[in-house]
Amino acid sequence: KAGVTQTPRYLIKTRGQQVTLSCSPISGHRSVSWYQQTPGQGLQFLFEYFSETQRNKGNFPGRFSGRQFSNSRSEMNVSTLELGDSALYLCASSLLGGEQFFGPGTRLTVL
Amino acid sequence: AQTVTQSQPEMSVQEAETVTLSCTYDTSESDYYLFWYKQPPSRQMILVIRQEAYKQQNATENRFSVNFQKAAKSFSLKISDSQLGDAAMYFCAYRSANTGNQFYFGTGTSLTVIP
Repeated sequence: KAGVTQTPRYLIKTRGQQVTLSCSPISGHRSVSWYQQTPGQGLQFLFEYFSETQRNKGNFPGRFSGRQFSNSRSEMNVSTLELGDSALYLCASSLLGGEQFFGPGTRLTVL
Repeated sequence: AQTVTQSQPEMSVQEAETVTLSCTYDTSESDYYLFWYKQPPSRQMILVIRQEAYKQQNATENRFSVNFQKAAKSFSLKISDSQLGDAAMYFCAYRSANTGNQFYFGTGTSLTVIP
C-alpha cells in the first residue's frame, strides 16, 4: 500500500501571498489531519477532516483553512502569508480510531 | 484541552545501552490512547508503540517498551540495546477515545546515540 503523499515537498513564498498544500492519504483512510511543526513548538494541530467534513479544529487564525474531497484527498490553504508561517506542514491519515500515518511533509519558507 | 509534556528536550545514550524518555499528560478522561512516534532526520514520522489506557499491561515492541502509570499520568518509553538508527526526535502523543481523531503531541525529545 502506498503511504501518505504530500505535494509539494518544498515551497518558497513571500509575505502576503497564499499557498495551497495537498495531501493524499493511504487508500481506505478517510480521516486526514494537518499539523504545523516548528522548532521548539512541536506539532500543533491545525484541523481534521473525515468524509469531507471538518471534525476538529486547532487554535489557528482563519487564514488557515482546509478541505477534503470525496476521494479523501485533502488540501490546506494559507492566505496572506506571514513570516511566522514558515514551518513543516505534516499531513496524517488514519482509519477511524486508529493510529495516524504521516506523510513526509511540506517545508514552507516565507520570505 | 489535553496537554502532553516531554520534559527532556535532549537525551543521549551510548550504543547498546538503555535509555528512558519521559512523558506526562493531563486529562480528565478515562478512556484514551497513548503513542510514541519517532521522527528521524529524514522527517518521516513513524509509529513506535501504542498503549490503550484500559490495558494495564505495558506495551512492548521488540527493543521498545513503555512504562504506563495511569494514576500518575505518566507514559515513558524505554529503548533497550540502543542502535545508531534510533537517533531521532521522539514525540509522545495522546488521543481521546471519545472525541474524534485529534492527537495532542508533546514538544519532543531529541535522542542522540553515541557510537
